[in-house]
Amino acid sequence: DTEVTQTPKHLVMGMTNKKSLKCEQHMGHRAMYWYKQKAKKPPELMFVYSYEKLSINESVPSRFSPECPNSSLLNLHLHALQPEDSALYLCASSVGSGRASNIQYFGAGTRLSVL
Amino acid sequence: DQQVKQNSPSLSVQEGRISILNCDYTNSMFDYFLWYKKYPAEGPTFLISISSIKDKNEDGRFTVFLNKSAKHLSLHIVPSQPGDSAVYFCAASALGGATNKLIFGTGTLLAVQP
Repeated sequence: DTEVTQTPKHLVMGMTNKKSLKCEQHMGHRAMYWYKQKAKKPPELMFVYSYEKLSINESVPSRFSPECPNSSLLNLHLHALQPEDSALYLCASSVGSGRASNIQYFGAGTRLSVL
Repeated sequence: DQQVKQNSPSLSVQEGRISILNCDYTNSMFDYFLWYKKYPAEGPTFLISISSIKDKNEDGRFTVFLNKSAKHLSLHIVPSQPGDSAVYFCAASALGGATNKLIFGTGTLLAVQP
């Protein structure tokens, strides 16, 4: 089973709203990732959590705030987003993050529209 | 600066024939390469991978070839099936500090015609 579950599938929010994206995996993976994908572009890494600690932040604006409450859950809190933040947000997990061969398994994504 | 490039945005192949998808990279520090398939409205699905110490890896209908000197890899699908129609991303992995990072190519849209 290589399932990563993301909720909600779709989200529409105004620029003053606060919302959260949720990601869950029950594969015992200890590394979890957030990616952003714009139309016709490749996924771009945003954050990496390793053993529930933030290990990589790819200079993401502070209006995106990640949280890893436990090893199975990853949240992305959104506040005061801009229309250009509209994109597909993908969550992934891997066994660990310390080896290049750690394969990342992706969820189906949350399609976010900021009005 | 695109470190992983897929120069063909799209490819059309007849069912039963071979599909060859290409990928070039610039960073010699990449030591592991992966191919993902992506259907619309779904996340990328892992297909096959290869370590930089190998030049070929095969899994069923899928074979990945790596040419380190040319910094080039390719994915062969044979025989191609209509269900293979999707966007294919090649990705390269390297350790960034203590954490591995995936750098994705721009993707190739494969259409397999019945």
